[in-house]
Amino acid sequence: QVQLVQSGSELKNLGASVKVSCKASGYSISTYSMNWVRQAPGQGLEWMGWISTTTGNPMYAQGFTGRFVFSLDTSVSTTYLQISSLKAEDTAVYYCARAVPATGGGDAFDVWGQGTMVTVSS
Amino acid sequence: QSVLTQPPSASGTPGQRVTISCSGSSSNIGTNTVNWYQQLPGTAPKLLICSNNQRPSGVPDRFSGSKSGTSASLAISGLQSEDEADYYCAAWDASLNGRWVFGGGTKLTVL
Repeated sequence: QVQLVQSGSELKNLGASVKVSCKASGYSISTYSMNWVRQAPGQGLEWMGWISTTTGNPMYAQGFTGRFVFSLDTSVSTTYLQISSLKAEDTAVYYCARAVPATGGGDAFDVWGQGTMVTVSS
Repeated sequence: QSVLTQPPSASGTPGQRVTISCSGSSSNIGTNTVNWYQQLPGTAPKLLICSNNQRPSGVPDRFSGSKSGTSASLAISGLQSEDEADYYCAAWDASLNGRWVFGGGTKLTVL
């Protein structure tokens, strides 16, 4: 079945870097774009941006430029989120989500990864 | 501060009908479709309603969505205990070179 499986929880120190993976299975990863969504503890969902899985071109939402990098390796059907110079406020669950054209128009995130908890410790 | 505005909480008793509102603007809900996501405690969000009122396969018909102008609503009829979750609306927003925006989420409690 179609699924996105993310890498496990991470505990990092302030200023370190982290790389989260999101492996797609059950479909060709190049068919649909991949999005990243952040959820801070006890907070709502925040869209970080997306990566084209055909060209590898990323697009970052405001607030997620500079330290955040989306990448793609189609040979292993995997997209990545790398965060550098980690700050305490980066502590959150990070989700990857596939965007597909929806039945009645527009797009929707129909499949989500299970989430990766990144904890930044001082 | 979320771009889309939802009530922080809602509640109902089993069997009741509850609605959750989502208010936006002309740059998002006013011109684009609305999706709803359900997030059960400790799990990833799940697509509940897409394109304002379409239910993906497997979503019970107790869940329905509607949109009017710059607002949208999610209705849940025949409320069940397993519906207790956080609900988020989302829409594409044309500002800032385009972005997805979410509501702040509504925590639904089944009394």
